[in-house]
Amino acid sequence: QSVLTQPPSVSAAPGQKVTISCSGGGSNIGNNYVSWYQQLPGTAPKLLIYDNNKRPSGIPDRFSGSTSATSATLGITGLQTGDEADYYCGTWDSSLSAGVFGGGTKLTVL
Amino acid sequence: EVQLLESGGGLVQPGGSLRLSCAASGFTFSRYVMIWVRQAPGKGLEWVSGISGGGGYTYYADSVKGRVTISRDNSRNTLYLQMSSLRADDTAIYYCAKSPGDDNYYTLDVWGHGTTVTVSS
Repeated sequence: QSVLTQPPSVSAAPGQKVTISCSGGGSNIGNNYVSWYQQLPGTAPKLLIYDNNKRPSGIPDRFSGSTSATSATLGITGLQTGDEADYYCGTWDSSLSAGVFGGGTKLTVL
Repeated sequence: EVQLLESGGGLVQPGGSLRLSCAASGFTFSRYVMIWVRQAPGKGLEWVSGISGGGGYTYYADSVKGRVTISRDNSRNTLYLQMSSLRADDTAIYYCAKSPGDDNYYTLDVWGHGTTVTVSS
């Protein structure tokens, strides 16, 4: 059971928009920055979003992040088949004194 | 180019020990927090352990606390994970990852390709 809760799967058609939620608590999302990672099949994860809503160099602005209280959301617009991947949220948990991830969400682009 | 290359994985019997290494290049290794993350077969990511740039601060997930020790040799640009009392549920791909700073243990901006640990008799 992950500390952060994500839906197991989401799907949408090419060109559409999708959002992936990440729910936590006051000791993690409520008081620490959130990062999002994309893991394409058979590869290592890649950083998509950090500090809640910032994009590393090279990440297109189709990807966005936001937070509200103890939840975070990843948004992806203009969906492409190449976006099919597993997406993970992550943050620090001040009570555990450890990093934590969500269980991951599999995105299918129909 | 920033690179991380893990090694040391393999097949080990339950109760055994293993030391993973992560060779870093392309950045000033000692300035950054380094993290180990693992992924069991078909499962999600699990944060395992983190260490500060100077090595003075270390953190562990409850699932490995007392069985795992993270360390680093800044003169060799290498990160280590010493694992003991290994169990079947330690079977995973172990990734080494870099933080963008020396006080950030949860943003992982560069990842290695991983090394596979299998615990089985």
